[in-house]
Amino acid sequence: AQSVTQPDIHITVSEGASLELRCNYSYGATPYLFWYVQSPGQGLQLLLKYFSGDTLVQGIKGFEAEFKRSQSSFNLRKPSVHWSDAAEYFCAVGARNDYKLSFGAGTTVTVRA
Amino acid sequence: DAGVIQSPRHEVTEMGQEVTLRCKPISGHDYLFWYRQTMMRGLELLIYFNNNVPIDDSGMPEDRFSAKMPNASFSTLKIQPSEPRDSAVYFCASRRGGPSYEQYFGPGTRLTVT
Repeated sequence: AQSVTQPDIHITVSEGASLELRCNYSYGATPYLFWYVQSPGQGLQLLLKYFSGDTLVQGIKGFEAEFKRSQSSFNLRKPSVHWSDAAEYFCAVGARNDYKLSFGAGTTVTVRA
Repeated sequence: DAGVIQSPRHEVTEMGQEVTLRCKPISGHDYLFWYRQTMMRGLELLIYFNNNVPIDDSGMPEDRFSAKMPNASFSTLKIQPSEPRDSAVYFCASRRGGPSYEQYFGPGTRLTVT
């Protein structure tokens, strides 16, 4: 079964600074990988996804993520954060033979002025 | 598109009462998922359906929980009887079939059992 580890529970970043959120997955083959964002009191919104092809994936809101097979990682990055990026971010992995997703525990991002 | 619709958004009930959560998936999506989110356990998949048929209910915590999908546009998650440890946010998500489609989440139902 697949699993996801998000090592950072909470990150604080200054507005305008860069952000990187870590995600490591465990799966025996090439996985489907996702990043979702959850604002307080809201559902999860998809930021970006990786299925195949180019390992650098662009998403919404200026986010990007890079799939590194050798490191079993799918880290999320943003060059310059905005106060509105304060939220909880979830990495998820899916197997290619079923439609279930396994989610990490999430990373809460706080943006300070 | 209205997105995934869940009702109610908030539910407060007393222990022992029956609770029914409702979900309307996005039209044309033939997969529907129910998740539970808590601080302690994070986001857990409870059950998912394909074309209204339950495919995997291994995440349903116990017999007090049941889920149905009588048609392509409606699903319910029922807890009977409810207990305080069932307090959580319950999300419904849907997606199209095929290997590369993501799940779309509803806004969730925050359940508090007192």
